[in-house]
Amino acid sequence: GQQLNQSPQSMFIQEGEDVSMNCTSSSIFNTWLWYKQDPGEGPVLLIALYKAGELTSNGRLTAQFGITRKDSFLNISASIPSDVGIYFCAGQVTGGSEKLVFGKGTKLTVNP
Amino acid sequence: NAGVTQTPKFQVLKTGQSMTLQCAQDMNHEYMSWYRQDPGMGLRLIHYSVGAGITDQGEVPNGYNVSRSTTEDFPLRLLSAAPSQTSVYFCASSRKTGTGANVLTFGAGSRLTVL
Repeated sequence: GQQLNQSPQSMFIQEGEDVSMNCTSSSIFNTWLWYKQDPGEGPVLLIALYKAGELTSNGRLTAQFGITRKDSFLNISASIPSDVGIYFCAGQVTGGSEKLVFGKGTKLTVNP
Repeated sequence: NAGVTQTPKFQVLKTGQSMTLQCAQDMNHEYMSWYRQDPGMGLRLIHYSVGAGITDQGEVPNGYNVSRSTTEDFPLRLLSAAPSQTSVYFCASSRKTGTGANVLTFGAGSRLTVL
């Protein structure tokens, strides 16, 4: 089945640093989504990408839909303590099954 | 505007017991799904439904049953709980965007421990 490789698995950074994480797949996706999960909560949508090459920002977050449609990255600039959590990428092949395929997550720790 | 509501938030079962995890959404979403989250495994799809009366299996359906009698509710049943079903369970629903993409809204989760 379709699989997403998300990296890194975990990150430990200092407050103020920039962060980059990515997802790759052997399959082509038509939609890429990035979610954040705070401890003890459900994932919350951060950014949705619908077109190859698309670059979208949401505050300090920027995500891109890879031109090959097989990858996506998420950048966080000037990290703050509340950025702590698990970040998930998800891909979907639109028009077929509505199922989303999720990466295994990147656990981010921000030291103040 | 409650979104996706899951109950209970915590549950402890003994092996062999049965129970139902409840999920309700008030956003008139057609698509609903159940995921389980285990350390290092990410989110894995158990079952999903594209509308009332329609359900289908996901990646890890064994040991779980679902039904979808209304648009709002999508309960997940464990008929005979096993320790391997210890996990955090998330219900999610979605609207279809103009592009047909499946943008999920998640509940807060139900943490299940099977002894």
